[in-house]
Amino acid sequence: DTEVTQTPKHLVMGMTNKKSLKCEQHMGHRAMYWYKQKAKKPPELMFVYSYEKLSINESVPSRFSPECPNSSLLNLHLHALQPEDSALYLCASSQVEIGANQPQHFGDGTRLSIL
Amino acid sequence: GDSVTQMEGPVTLSEEAFLTINCTYTATGYPSLFWYVQYPGEGLQLLLKATKADDKGSNKGFEATYRKETTSFHLEKGSVQVSDSAVYFCALSDRDFGNEKLTFGTGTRLTIIP
Repeated sequence: DTEVTQTPKHLVMGMTNKKSLKCEQHMGHRAMYWYKQKAKKPPELMFVYSYEKLSINESVPSRFSPECPNSSLLNLHLHALQPEDSALYLCASSQVEIGANQPQHFGDGTRLSIL
Repeated sequence: GDSVTQMEGPVTLSEEAFLTINCTYTATGYPSLFWYVQYPGEGLQLLLKATKADDKGSNKGFEATYRKETTSFHLEKGSVQVSDSAVYFCALSDRDFGNEKLTFGTGTRLTIIP
């Protein structure tokens, strides 16, 4: 069992739909991440939140909108997605410790299919 | 910029064989190094880590040693099992840039046959 919980596990949506992916952790981590993973590829970083503030946006299209309502929750709001956005979306969290890189802990992901 | 190079897969081994998956890196700062494993249908799990030169990370029979002189972090296991079949990612996090970015290798798919 992972300590980072993502819901839903699977999502199928049309290109005009609006949906949200959710991520929750209770490890006291203050950094949270969204990644996109295509088949047979490594994860690609999308967004990073540090202390509930967006610190990194890797030039992600505006049809993806992240939100961090509190230190335990991370959402990814989806709107007007394209078929090429079909992928596994992974959430991760880590401690924030100056001078020492802490490992990231991943959830099992949401497998998203765009019709 | 930072980069991680892993041996090309897929790798197929018989049960109880010795495993080595090569990983080399390029980084401008003082990276921490990680191996992550991804089982089918799951997210990534941290397998082991090393934060400075000559550190050895180990977990579940897997080992990797941080070699600064050869910029390598090769993953080894003495006797693999069918349950080790998965995709393995080598990754680094560079301290100069804080802990916010992981640079991944391309991944190595490992299949163990009984």
